[in-house]
Amino acid sequence: GEDVEQSLFLSVREGDSSVINCTYTDSSSTYLYWYKQEPGAGLQLLTYIFSNMDMKQDQRLTVLLNKKDKHLSLRIADTQTGDSAIYFCAEGAGSYQLTFGKGTKLSVIP
Amino acid sequence: KAGVTQTPRYLIKTRGQQVTLSCSPISGHRSVSWYQQTPGQGLQFLFEYFSETQRNKGNFPGRFSGRQFSNSRSEMNVSTLELGDSALYLCASSQGLAGSYNEQFFGPGTRLTVL
Repeated sequence: GEDVEQSLFLSVREGDSSVINCTYTDSSSTYLYWYKQEPGAGLQLLTYIFSNMDMKQDQRLTVLLNKKDKHLSLRIADTQTGDSAIYFCAEGAGSYQLTFGKGTKLSVIP
Repeated sequence: KAGVTQTPRYLIKTRGQQVTLSCSPISGHRSVSWYQQTPGQGLQFLFEYFSETQRNKGNFPGRFSGRQFSNSRSEMNVSTLELGDSALYLCASSQGLAGSYNEQFFGPGTRLTVL
């Protein structure tokens, strides 16, 4: 069955880069997503990548996709305390039935 | 443009009761998806509605049901509540157009506690 795996915790110092990794199993996934969830809030879409791309950059965010290894990563440059949150990797053939990882809790140390 | 709204935000019920949660999508969006978020299982897809029809369904028991109205507002219902139904229920709306990318916008969720 479909499964998305990500490490549960990551701690970085303010100003450093954060890299959150994810592996997925469904080779038919068309889109792969990164969402951010802050305490008490819903999910906020950070970025997505189409499965025929291998990299996407959006300001401080860089997404790398290795389709052969089914590996997705999110790099946050110059990490700030406001980036502290839970980050979810998700995959989907369409955009309305997503399979999510369990989330990586990013803690930024001032 | 107003975002996705969910009501109520918090709900406390007892085992055996039933509950109805509501989701109002972004104006113009015809697709509404529901997800259950728990610490143990994470985020799991419940079902998706498009133009009043259930288009996709996740792997949940029949106690979980939903519907969508002509104005795209959606409700989900859980009957005979169990302690394990305690969760954050999130809904997301999108245009839902086939063959193209449709960004999902999530609401803040309804926190259901079953005692």
